[in-house]
Amino acid sequence: ETGVTQSPTHLIKTRGQQVTLRCSSQSGHNTVSWYQQALGQGPQFIFQYYREEENGRGNFPPRFSGLQFPNYSSELNVNALELDDSALYLCASSLGGPGQNTEAFFGQGTRLTVV
Amino acid sequence: DQQVKQNSPSLSVQEGRISILNCDYTNSMFDYFLWYKKYPAEGPTFLISISSIKDKNEDGRFTVFLNKSAKHLSLHIVPSQPGDSAVYFCAASEGRGNNNDMRFGAGTRLTVKP
Repeated sequence: ETGVTQSPTHLIKTRGQQVTLRCSSQSGHNTVSWYQQALGQGPQFIFQYYREEENGRGNFPPRFSGLQFPNYSSELNVNALELDDSALYLCASSLGGPGQNTEAFFGQGTRLTVV
Repeated sequence: DQQVKQNSPSLSVQEGRISILNCDYTNSMFDYFLWYKKYPAEGPTFLISISSIKDKNEDGRFTVFLNKSAKHLSLHIVPSQPGDSAVYFCAASEGRGNNNDMRFGAGTRLTVKP
């Protein structure tokens, strides 16, 4: 039990649609990040938020966007869905802020299938 | 550009023996390394970490070794137990403050046979 919950657990969308995935972090965890894990691969970093501001981004196009809220919840939005967006999306939160190396705690993930 | 590599997709060991999982990295700016394990239908669970100022960190049955000159780290599990069967991911991050910007390897599936 990591204290990080994601919703929904599974989702099927059509190519071209938009999707919003949600994450609830542990209380006090000011840093949240999102990862995409394709089948047979390790998680790939999408972006990170610290106190509601984006402070790091991986190699993902702008149609991947996010929000972090004061109540330790966050969202990942993906516009214009493509078939290759089908993956497990993981949210991770940590206590540390910029410059502090601490472990990240992952949610169970949302399995997105784009058809 | 895969900066973290786990070249063994799978490993099988007997219960009670040692499991050694390996990981190589290419980015010399990485200064914090972590191991996560993942069971099916669950998110990755943090296992153990090591800072680049150390070459060994131990936590119970789990020990991580870091060889900076070789850009190599390994996870030792001894003794291995059937409950350790899972996919193990190696991850690394840079010291520029984006502490959750971790680069992951593709994972090694460990099977511990009773």
